[in-house]
Amino acid sequence: EDQVTQSPEALRLQEGESSSLNCSYTVSGLRGLFWYRQDPGKGPEFLFTLYSAGEEKEKERLKATLTKKESFLHITAPKPEDSATYLCAVQTWGDSWGKFQFGAGTQVVVTP
Amino acid sequence: GAGVSQSPSNKVTEKGKDVELRCDPISGHTALYWYRQSLGQGLEFLIYFQGNSAPDKSGLPSDRFSAERTGGSVSTLTIQRTQQEDSAVYLCASSSYGQGGQPQHFGDGTRLSIL
Repeated sequence: EDQVTQSPEALRLQEGESSSLNCSYTVSGLRGLFWYRQDPGKGPEFLFTLYSAGEEKEKERLKATLTKKESFLHITAPKPEDSATYLCAVQTWGDSWGKFQFGAGTQVVVTP
Repeated sequence: GAGVSQSPSNKVTEKGKDVELRCDPISGHTALYWYRQSLGQGLEFLIYFQGNSAPDKSGLPSDRFSAERTGGSVSTLTIQRTQQEDSAVYLCASSSYGQGGQPQHFGDGTRLSIL
């Protein structure tokens, strides 16, 4: 059975303290892995798409990487405005229409 | 606006009433999705539209839930005879191509509270 697992569930960081979030998946035939950020009371905001192992994407203090089994979202020198819940989702070639399977998310709190 | 628009943003209703939630996708996006997000939970897939057709309704939790899409654009999710367990945030997303490989773009949701 396909699974997407995010860890940790919650992460509390001091401003400037870099860390990484994990999204591990057990799916057959990964088509794409997507990272989102969700602020309280808002919908998920798209960050990155990764398609193949070894691929990396960067945006400001965020960097996403992908292996054959997992993806990491690295937060470098975070600021309080990076506080949010980060979600990952996978698509597989086995689904007829590119269905997303979401992880449960990692809630990140960055304190000044 | 350029993003996905959902209305109302909040809805409070009594148990047993029917509710309609509306989603206006990004212009030109052929694929549209509805999800449900309960407090502290992940996103639960409800239904997928490609144009006006719904190839995948597998996530609808019961026959009290239905959805339609007209003109390849606006979609409405209807919940009949609401129950307290229907309380959640209902999110709509759209993407340019439903066959995969493209990100889904989300609205800010409708927060539904059943008294």
